[in-house]
This record gives sequence, C-alpha cells and structure tokens, in this order.
Amino acid sequence: TQLLEQSPQFLSIQEGENLTVYCNSSSVFSSLQWYRQEPGEGPVLLVTVVTGGEVKKLKRLTFQFGDARKDSSLHITAAQPGDTGLYLCAGARNAGGTSYGKLTFGQGTILTVHP
Amino acid sequence: KAGVTQTPRYLIKTRGQQVTLSCSPISGHRSVSWYQQTPGQGLQFLFEYFSETQRNKGNFPGRFSGRQFSNSRSEMNVSTLELGDSALYLCASTSGAGGIQYFGAGTRLSVL
Repeated sequence: TQLLEQSPQFLSIQEGENLTVYCNSSSVFSSLQWYRQEPGEGPVLLVTVVTGGEVKKLKRLTFQFGDARKDSSLHITAAQPGDTGLYLCAGARNAGGTSYGKLTFGQGTILTVHP
Repeated sequence: KAGVTQTPRYLIKTRGQQVTLSCSPISGHRSVSWYQQTPGQGLQFLFEYFSETQRNKGNFPGRFSGRQFSNSRSEMNVSTLELGDSALYLCASTSGAGGIQYFGAGTRLSVL
C-alpha cells in the first residue's frame, strides 16, 4: 500500500508568519500534486512537480520535490488570511494497471491564518 | 471552458436506500475518477473510467459501482446505504497528460 504521510495535520499561525508543510512516502511517485480545498468545494490544483529535485514557485508558495521523488514540501512565505484552507498532497504513478486514474492523497493540513 | 460538474450538490438518504451521483467531465477529458472524502479517512480512490470501461478500482465493497457513457459523463451508484457512507463524493477528470486531475465541487451525501 502506498501511503503519503502529511504533516502537520493542523497549523494555526498569525498573518505574516512563514510555514512549511511536509509530504513523505516510502514509495516513488511519477509526479506529486498539491491541492488546496475550501469548505464545501472540491480540491483546486496548485502545482504539479515531476522531476526529482524540482522547485516551483507560485507567488508566495514554494514547492519542492525530493531528489528520490518520495517526498515533497510546500513553503508559504508571509502567510495571509486568504491562505486559510485544507492543503493536500497527492501522488500519481503512471505505470498503468492499478495506477490508472488513481491519486494517493495525504491526510491533509488544515491551515488557519489569523489576521 | 466549463469545469467538472457534479450533481446534485447535496443529498439526504436513509439507511438501506440507494443513490446515484452524476459527474460531467471537462470537455475533451475521457478519464473520470471518483473519490470518497471523510474526516477520518481523507480522500480515498473509488474507481476510474476511461472510454466507458472501468480501468481501476479501489478497496470499496461491491455496493459502490459506476459507469461511464459515450459522452464521458459518469455516474456512481451506492446501494443499500449505510451510515458510514456519509461523505463528500468527488469526481475528477483527466486530460490524460501527466495525470493531472481536475476536481468537481463534490456531492455531499448524508445517510440518516
């Protein structure tokens, strides 16, 4: 069973602080995706990382994919109340068969940014 | 381009009943995946359909089934509902390139 361990589960911080969310696995993934989900809505894709060691930046968000493609991190600089939400990492394997259409999700990190 | 559309948004059923949920993928997407999201288990994969064929299935009982039509729209059915089936059911469509999945807003199912 492929598992993605996401930490921390909860983060409550003040506006302007920095934070990092981690996503770790013992399995190799072909790609790893980060989503953000707000209450009552479906997950919205933030970024996809594919290459080991890859770093992608999206405004104040920085995503890294580990060299071995087993782990990833999301770093938010100067968090704002609008960043509040559930952050999910999800791994994909493109090997066909039991991998078709299947993303393996971490448990998620509930982030609350207080003004 | 319209996103993934799921209907209905909310459903209330009683134990023992059955329910059908619908998902219309992004135009041109031929793969549809279904997930169950609960506070305790998070997002868990149910199954995936491509060109009207189920290609992959998660670890859910046979009460959970699905199908896909020639226009790529998909339905999932849950028979003999149990209280534990209360969840947000999400579908996602994929362009096929890179496995990127785009999610609908989900159907919130409450079983009483």
